[in-house]
Amino acid sequence: DAGVIQSPRHEVTEMGQEVTLRCKPISGHNSLFWYRQTMMRGLELLIYFNNNVPIDDSGMPEDRFSAKMPNASFSTLKIQPSEPRDSAVYFCASSFSASGGTLIWEQYFGPGTRLTVT
Amino acid sequence: AQSVTQPDIHITVSEGASLELRCNYSYGATPYLFWYVQSPGQGLQLLLKYFSGDTLVQGIKGFEAEFKRSQSSFNLRKPSVHWSDAAEYFCAVGPSFGNEKLTFGTGTRLTIIP
Repeated sequence: DAGVIQSPRHEVTEMGQEVTLRCKPISGHNSLFWYRQTMMRGLELLIYFNNNVPIDDSGMPEDRFSAKMPNASFSTLKIQPSEPRDSAVYFCASSFSASGGTLIWEQYFGPGTRLTVT
Repeated sequence: AQSVTQPDIHITVSEGASLELRCNYSYGATPYLFWYVQSPGQGLQLLLKYFSGDTLVQGIKGFEAEFKRSQSSFNLRKPSVHWSDAAEYFCAVGPSFGNEKLTFGTGTRLTIIP
């Protein structure tokens, strides 16, 4: 299996620009998670989907952030407009959950996207 | 609310020495517990997990962890570390059912000296 695939691996953009991060989960997994990692705040869950439906977005910082999962094999995290404080490593992870999310298994992480906003 | 504490921010051990990384959790019911490792510039890789049953679990790369309910702990151990074990280690806790959110600790950075 190819594992979780994220693109791009590195993104440098200027403040105010739109940024789109992409994720392809492991085939057969039905839950997808977006995390942000910074030195100051550690690893934070932003949002997660189960069967393509957003279940918990309480970690999304503000309206500038949005996430979509149009199908089981693709998700995007968009920041518009971007700000320097959004600079971080963004991870996507996927897992398989059974019984409508009542039984969970381990999450598999992608390599991350390092975002720098200048 | 569930929480995880990793009290050691940074640990340095000599190659070949034993290792124990501490993890304490707070959760009302029986939790799912995980240890992940992150090498520089990489994503997180699962080392081992505890769901139920035997409280001593074996993982990859020679790691093991022991679940102690009375101490709310899930410490990671390795009898003899290798230079390649230098990385950041994260403990995580999740509910046994329902919401799939995992709560991660702040991590412990492991440095190996020759």
